[in-house]
Amino acid sequence: QVQLVESGGGVVQPGGSLRLSCAASGFTFSSYGMHWVRQAPGKGLEWVAFIRYDGSNKYYADSVKGRFTISRDNSKNTLYLQMNSLRAEDTAVYYCAKDYLPVRGVLVRTPLDYWGQGTLVTVSS
Amino acid sequence: AIWMTQSPSLLSASTGDRVTISCRMSQGISSYLAWYQQKPGKAPELLIYAASTLQSGVPSRFSGSGSGTDFTLTISCLQSEDFATYYCQQYYSFPRTFGQGTKVEIK
Repeated sequence: QVQLVESGGGVVQPGGSLRLSCAASGFTFSSYGMHWVRQAPGKGLEWVAFIRYDGSNKYYADSVKGRFTISRDNSKNTLYLQMNSLRAEDTAVYYCAKDYLPVRGVLVRTPLDYWGQGTLVTVSS
Repeated sequence: AIWMTQSPSLLSASTGDRVTISCRMSQGISSYLAWYQQKPGKAPELLIYAASTLQSGVPSRFSGSGSGTDFTLTISCLQSEDFATYYCQQYYSFPRTFGQGTKVEIK
């Protein structure tokens, strides 16, 4: 069965850095685009970043562009999110999620079908 | 970016009620819309994609409709396990965007 397990969350000071990991199993990781989505305490869902199946294209929310970097290692079935210059407003549970369909074409239009359990990032002094 | 307006933000209903949640886009997205259900402390779960296609295992009391800019999620006969928060999401373009969420609570 599909499993996505996030790790790497914790407490970090404003301006600090953190790297999240998402270990995938139960599907052919190298065939699927992957996302990070976050949820601030008591708030709604905010999409953060996407990476194509082969890492060739990446997209970011404006709120994290230039500070966060999404990457993947298909040999390790692992997704990453490097977060730099962290701010208090980055405090959230961070989820990794997979694309429903393995998209090879230019247009990636598929929903998110499996999500991890999330990892909490707290930015506070 | 495509902006989404989801309404209502809070819906009070009773078991057995029919409830409807709306999602309106700032521009047309054809049928590239999904609905997710989230329960407290849990990750979201995919309910409906392509505006009206039920994900495998989702009860038939859930249905979705719409295309272009206006979409609706309907729960025909609310069950106790349906009390949760629901989100729409467009996957027509990047950045992906979610609606603000609708919490369905017990009246």
